[in-house]
Amino acid sequence: DTGVSQNPRHKITKRGQNVTFRCDPISEHNRLYWYRQTLGQGPEFLTYFQNEAQLEKSRLLSDRFSAERPKGSFSTLEIQRTEQGDSAMYLCASSLGTRNQPQHFGDGTRLSIL
Amino acid sequence: AQSVSQHNHHVILSEAASLELGCNYSYGGTVNLFWYVQYPGQHLQLLLKYFSGDPLVKGIKGFEAEFIKSKFSFNLRKPSVQWSDTAEYFCAVTGGGGSYIPTFGRGTSLIVHP
Repeated sequence: DTGVSQNPRHKITKRGQNVTFRCDPISEHNRLYWYRQTLGQGPEFLTYFQNEAQLEKSRLLSDRFSAERPKGSFSTLEIQRTEQGDSAMYLCASSLGTRNQPQHFGDGTRLSIL
Repeated sequence: AQSVSQHNHHVILSEAASLELGCNYSYGGTVNLFWYVQYPGQHLQLLLKYFSGDPLVKGIKGFEAEFIKSKFSFNLRKPSVQWSDTAEYFCAVTGGGGSYIPTFGRGTSLIVHP
């Protein structure tokens, strides 16, 4: 089990710039989730994929956010025209596709908007 | 929509003290319950889970949790904490409206003094 890998670990950018994060799930996991976590809060669901299909999106995911999972392997989360409020830890998790399997989390990407 | 409440936001204990962290959820139907732990500088990892059967579930590192359906609760317990239990603890629930996306509580920060 090599674990869920996220890159970069930290990203600092100016407001208005675009950023992209990458997540490599555990290889046999066909479900992949993105969460956002701010200080003092638990993870908030953003979106999830089963294989390459994006099956659910939270209303937190504004039109500036887009996520992809080409070929059902790694995933990218892009934020366009970043705003101060986008500063957060972005977490990726993966799980097996059977019902209610626990999720395995990555270390996250911390985004800071200047 | 499902909501999860963790009433203790910060808990400070001495080693060997007993621990109980509260978790209450809102949805009254079939639920699946999880406790995750995040040690300093590490990613979220599963501590224990309840799907069905015996409402008293045992997890790693001597932790246990009891599902009380009538109280909508899933409290986490440990009879004797150690300094190494210092971490953030998150309760999560799936269920409600057919969604299997977990809803997380805001977390409890536990500090154990040696």
